[in-house]
Amino acid sequence: GIQVEQSPPDLILQEGANSTLRCNFSDSVNNLQWFHQNPWGQLINLFYIPSGTKQNGRLSATTVATERYSLLYISSSQTTDSGVYFCARGDGNNRLAFGKGNQVVVIP
Amino acid sequence: DSGVTQTPKHLITATGQRVTLRCSPRSGDLSVYWYQQSLDQGLQFLIQYYNGEERAKGNILERFSAQQFPDLHSELNLSSLELGDSALYFCASSLQTGTSGRAKANEQFFGPGTRLTVL
Repeated sequence: GIQVEQSPPDLILQEGANSTLRCNFSDSVNNLQWFHQNPWGQLINLFYIPSGTKQNGRLSATTVATERYSLLYISSSQTTDSGVYFCARGDGNNRLAFGKGNQVVVIP
Repeated sequence: DSGVTQTPKHLITATGQRVTLRCSPRSGDLSVYWYQQSLDQGLQFLIQYYNGEERAKGNILERFSAQQFPDLHSELNLSSLELGDSALYFCASSLQTGTSGRAKANEQFFGPGTRLTVL
């Protein structure tokens, strides 16, 4: 089946630091989304990015579909950025296959 | 707030019981998806409906069933519950099913989830 691999699995950041999260996927992509799961379990949409680059405040994402990877950049990290970041790839029916996530802890 | 609502937020029940989880999609969205998040399996797709019809199935057990009603809300029924069914169940919605060429018509928005505990 479709495989989505995320790295690194765990990341500890000092507040103010920058980081890059990576998502590799095994097949072509119709839909690629990044989510942030907060400590209360909510899945918050960050980016819908099947290709190209987008920016939203301190976050930006790039997907290179031909090379089957996506990157999420967090700049000037804040403690509220803590949580798990998920990459999910949609197939032709838009069923999302999720990676195992990147657990991010930002310490003050 | 994603616009997707799920009830109840928490559910505690016993093995062998049956429960129903409810989801209302965002206004205008025709497609509803159910996902299960557990510690050992991660986030997994269960089933998808589009405008009242089942579109795709994933790793959904035979003890589980779902439907989407004419008003587009959806219900996930879990029966003969086992300890291993304890998980966070998410509903998501999107405008289309994945075949649309419109930008962002396939973007899925998730509800707050129902946390099911089977004792």
